[in-house]
Amino acid sequence: AQSVTQLGSHVSVSEGALVLLRCNYSSSVPPYLFWYVQYPNQGLQLLLKYTSAATLVKGINGFEAEFKKSETSFHLTKPSAHMSDAAEYFCAVRGRPGANNLFFGTGTRLTVIP
Amino acid sequence: GAGVSQSPSNKVTEKGKDVELRCDPISGHTALYWYRQRLGQGLEFLIYFQGNSAPDKSGLPSDRFSAERTGESVSTLTIQRTQQEDSAVYLCASSIGLAGGEQFFGPGTRLTVL
Repeated sequence: AQSVTQLGSHVSVSEGALVLLRCNYSSSVPPYLFWYVQYPNQGLQLLLKYTSAATLVKGINGFEAEFKKSETSFHLTKPSAHMSDAAEYFCAVRGRPGANNLFFGTGTRLTVIP
Repeated sequence: GAGVSQSPSNKVTEKGKDVELRCDPISGHTALYWYRQRLGQGLEFLIYFQGNSAPDKSGLPSDRFSAERTGESVSTLTIQRTQQEDSAVYLCASSIGLAGGEQFFGPGTRLTVL
C-alpha cells in the first residue's frame, strides 16, 4: 500500500531562513510523489512532482524537492523563506500503478516570522 | 479557462438527512476525484472516475457514500443519513488522466452536520 508521513505538523522559520519540510513515503512500486500547497482560503495548488525522471525536482515559487530512494524521502526545501510562503503543505503519493488517485500526508503548516 | 467548480460552497444539515455535493470538472479532463479533508487532517481519497471505466470506490468509508458521474462531465457525491463525523470539507479534483498528471482542485464544499 502507498502512504506518506509528514514529520512536524507545524514548522516556523524566520523570513530569509531555509525552509525544510519533511516527507517520507511507503510504496510497493516505484512511486510518483507530489507536493501541494494550500494558501489561506484558497484551493490546493501543485508545487512540484516527481515521476521517475530527475531526482531533484524544481517547482514554483523557488521550492524544490529531492527524491532519495535509499531514505524513502521526498523533502521539500526553499533556500530563503518569504512571508508569502506561509501556508499548509501536503505531500502525496500516487496510488496503485494505473490509478491516479493520491494518498496525502496530514500536512505541515508553515509559519514565517518577520 | 474555468477551473474546477463545486457547489454549494457551504452546507449545513441535520443528522440523518441526505446531502448532494456537486463538482464541475475542467472541460476535457477525463479523470475526476473526490477527497475529504477533516479538520486538522490531510486529504482522504474517496472515489476516482476515469473515462468510461468502472469507478474506483475503494476509499468510500461506508455504504452511505456514493458518487456518480455523467460521461466526462459533472459528478455528484451523495451522503445518505448523514452523521456528525461526516463533517468535513469535500474536495473535487480533475486531471487529464495520464499517469502523474496534475490534479486541479476545486474550492471544496464545507459540510457541517449538526
